[in-house]
Amino acid sequence: ETGVTQTPRHLVMGMTNKKSLKCEQHLGHNAMYWYKQSAKKPLELMFVYNFKEQTENNSVPSRFSPECPNSSHLFLHLHTLQPEDSALYLCASSQEGSGQGTDTQYFGPGTRLTVL
Amino acid sequence: RKEVEQDPGPFNVPEGATVAFNCTYSNSASQSFFWYRQDCRKEPKLLMSVYSSGNEDGRFTAQLNRASQYISLLIRDSKLSDSATYLCVVNEVDSSYKLIFGSGTRLLVRP
Repeated sequence: ETGVTQTPRHLVMGMTNKKSLKCEQHLGHNAMYWYKQSAKKPLELMFVYNFKEQTENNSVPSRFSPECPNSSHLFLHLHTLQPEDSALYLCASSQEGSGQGTDTQYFGPGTRLTVL
Repeated sequence: RKEVEQDPGPFNVPEGATVAFNCTYSNSASQSFFWYRQDCRKEPKLLMSVYSSGNEDGRFTAQLNRASQYISLLIRDSKLSDSATYLCVVNEVDSSYKLIFGSGTRLLVRP
């Protein structure tokens, strides 16, 4: 058990729907991430939050809107998605700032999203 | 050129075999390197960090060659449970917490 949970695990939505993905980490970490994993492509970093502040938006379309209300919770709000947005969306967390370089990222189980 | 490049495989090996994967990275200033394992339809999990001096964890050995900008993973005495996709991961140089993932190398261990 990685200590990072995600809900829902599966989501099917139409292009006009609005939905939200939720991530919660129970590890006391200070950084959280959203990744997208499409078939046969490497994980793509979407957003990074460090101490609740968004420090990275990796040229993600505005139809994806992240929210980090506290250091344990991360949301990804979805609006007017396209079929090509269908993918596995993974949340991760890590403890940054230890001075030891990049710290290990722990992943949640992901939400498998299908956009019809 | 991809930032992190791996042979997609699949590598199909019998139980007990030794198998090695290589990965190349493009930015010579990268400092942190990892191997993650991802099972089918599951999330990636850290297998091991890769240190400059090389490191071993049981049947797994990781090596780093900075001069040639490649990382290797050696698995000895393969088990059926080793079947998975192995992701090579490198940190982004101007950010200590941004990781760049390779597409992964798929390993199939057969009885």
